[in-house]
Amino acid sequence: DSGVTQTPKHLITATGQRVTLRCSPRSGDLSVYWYQQSLDQGLQFLIQYYNGEERAKGNILERFSAQQFPDLHSELNLSSLELGDSALYFCASSPDSGRSTDTQYFGPGTRLTVL
Amino acid sequence: SQQGEEDPQALSIQEGENATMNCSYKTSINNLQWYRQNSGRGLVHLILIRSNEREKHSGRLRVTLDTSKKSSSLLITASRAADTASYFCATGGGFKTIFGAGTRLFVKA
Repeated sequence: DSGVTQTPKHLITATGQRVTLRCSPRSGDLSVYWYQQSLDQGLQFLIQYYNGEERAKGNILERFSAQQFPDLHSELNLSSLELGDSALYFCASSPDSGRSTDTQYFGPGTRLTVL
Repeated sequence: SQQGEEDPQALSIQEGENATMNCSYKTSINNLQWYRQNSGRGLVHLILIRSNEREKHSGRLRVTLDTSKKSSSLLITASRAADTASYFCATGGGFKTIFGAGTRLFVKA
C-alpha cells in the first residue's frame, strides 16, 4: 500500500458526459501528479500540483482540468468524454516539487470506460 | 518521444531463472529509477541509481548504469511467479519524469 488513495476504482460512463476522479496523496506529500495510461500510449503525464498551485502541464487536453485543495487532495475533471478517453488514470504523490531524486508513489488507479 | 525505452518489450522465463531488462535513454540524467506495475495496478518504485553510481543492489534486484552508453539494466535473480509484472525505467524527476514503454515479464511456475 503506497498510502495514495484514489476513488472511484472503476467508472463507466457514456460519451459526452463529465466525471471527477479523486486522489488523496500520502501524508506529508505536497506534490500530486496525474497520469493517463492507455494501451497504445503508455504512461502519459497530464498535470502536477504542488501545495495547491499548478506546477507543470503535460499532455492534458483542454477538456480536462484539475485542482488541488487546501487539504492537498486533488481532483481530475474530465468533460465531453470521448471513447478514446477510456484508460487507467493514476495519481501519484511525492514530498517535494520536483527534485530529480523524488520517488513518486502511485495510487491504485481509476479505470475509466467510456461507452 | 519517450526518454527511456525498454528492451525487450516482453520476456517469458521459467521460475528460478534470471531476468534481464534493458533501458536506453537519450539525454544526460541525474539519476534513473525503475518501477514495477502489476497488471492494472499502480506503479511501485523499486530502485534509484544516481548518475555517479555504476551498480546498485536491492534484494534480488541488481541495477547497472552506463552513462557513456546512456543505458541501464535491471536484473532480477532467481525469479518467482510473483515477479510477473511490467517494469519501467524512468528518468528526470518531478514533473520532468519520463517513463519508458516498459518490459512485460512473465515468469512461468
